[in-house]
Amino acid sequence: QVQLMQSGAEVRKPGSSVKVSCKASGGSFSSYAISWVRQAPGQGLEWMGGIIPMFGTTKYAQKFQGRVTLTADASTGTAYMELRSLRSDDTAVYYCARGPTVNHYYYYLDAWGKGTTVTVSS
Amino acid sequence: DIQMTQSPSSLSASVGDKVTITCRASETIASYVNWYQHKAGKAPKLLIYAASSLQSGVPSRFSGSGSGTDFSLTISNLQPDDFATYYCQQSFSALWTFGQGTKVEIK
Repeated sequence: QVQLMQSGAEVRKPGSSVKVSCKASGGSFSSYAISWVRQAPGQGLEWMGGIIPMFGTTKYAQKFQGRVTLTADASTGTAYMELRSLRSDDTAVYYCARGPTVNHYYYYLDAWGKGTTVTVSS
Repeated sequence: DIQMTQSPSSLSASVGDKVTITCRASETIASYVNWYQHKAGKAPKLLIYAASSLQSGVPSRFSGSGSGTDFSLTISNLQPDDFATYYCQQSFSALWTFGQGTKVEIK
């Protein structure tokens, strides 16, 4: 059973960047798709984008295009999400999640990390 | 982007009740809908994929239906562990979107 272990909570100032990691253990990593989903306080789930580590191919929600970069190291089973030009409304819990993929089609998310809290405050 | 509109946004129900949550897509999406359960402070959990397929390990009181633009999640015989927020999510488009969520509370 795969487990996704995320890095610890972060506090950043407006305008800075944050990089969150997500390490898979106990299951396959590179042949799946890894998505990043966030939840701001009092808000719902918001899909940010995804990456297929085996190919390094990515896709991003329009809202985050140009401000987020997803990368993955298949050799270590670790995915990363970097968000730049942080604003106070980027304060949220950020989740990584894994799901099956065929021909670059993403199906669903069946394994989730516990989330990383990112606080943006001056 | 494909918009997913859930209703209601919240509901109150009692243990043993049957509840239904609906999700409407802004355009036809065949059966490319998944449903997740989310409890505060925990990771979301996949319940239903491809509109009606029950994820392994999920109790059979959860069921999903629908195709095209209208979908529903039904919880029969509501249990204490089921009080949570539920989200639909479309995977038809390359760029995914979630519904705004439905909070199921204890009456």
